[in-house]
Amino acid sequence: QKEVEQNSGPLSVPEGAIASLNCTYSDRGSQSFFWYRQYSGKSPELIMSIYSNGDKEDGRFTAQLNKASQYVSLLIRDSQPSDSATYLCAVMGSGTYKYIFGTGTRLKVLA
Amino acid sequence: GAVVSQHPSRVICKSGTSVKIECRSLDFQATTMFWYRQFPKQSLMLMATSNEGSKATYEQGVEKDKFLINHASLTLSTLTVTSAHPEDSSFYICSARLTSGRGYEQYFGPGTRLTVT
Repeated sequence: QKEVEQNSGPLSVPEGAIASLNCTYSDRGSQSFFWYRQYSGKSPELIMSIYSNGDKEDGRFTAQLNKASQYVSLLIRDSQPSDSATYLCAVMGSGTYKYIFGTGTRLKVLA
Repeated sequence: GAVVSQHPSRVICKSGTSVKIECRSLDFQATTMFWYRQFPKQSLMLMATSNEGSKATYEQGVEKDKFLINHASLTLSTLTVTSAHPEDSSFYICSARLTSGRGYEQYFGPGTRLTVT
């Protein structure tokens, strides 16, 4: 069974701090990885996609991928209360366009 | 860019009736769309993959005769919940796969909250 694991949280960080969200996956053949943000009662919104080992930065967000260790992480710099949401890690399985989602990490940014 | 709409956003129906939900990619063509269901405080559960011009592929445990999917054009997929029952009440979300050099990103519609009374 292919799995994507995330700590459910809540992860609480003070405003202005760096929030670090982690995700591990079991399918070693996976090549495509995504982070989504989901506010309560809303649908997921794509934040970042990453396909190669290393870091990818977009504004306050940095995604990190390590295929050898089978983990992907998301760093949020200068966290704001508006970043409080559930962050979903999604992995596209090998040989398919389907995503496998983690259960999400709930982030709380304290003002 | 990459905007996906869903209609209706909220629907209440009586048990035994059918409900149709539309999913449209507004500014791109999507050969593949996906339908998910999400119960409160749970993650997304993939129900089916919708391919333009062909039959949908359903995930294990999803009744294809109950959840009818049609993907008649490159911008429209529909999900019909037939003979709805209270246990079908959920948040239904579609996504469309953007086929471009950017990779395999899925963009989600705003979701449809279905309540069956």
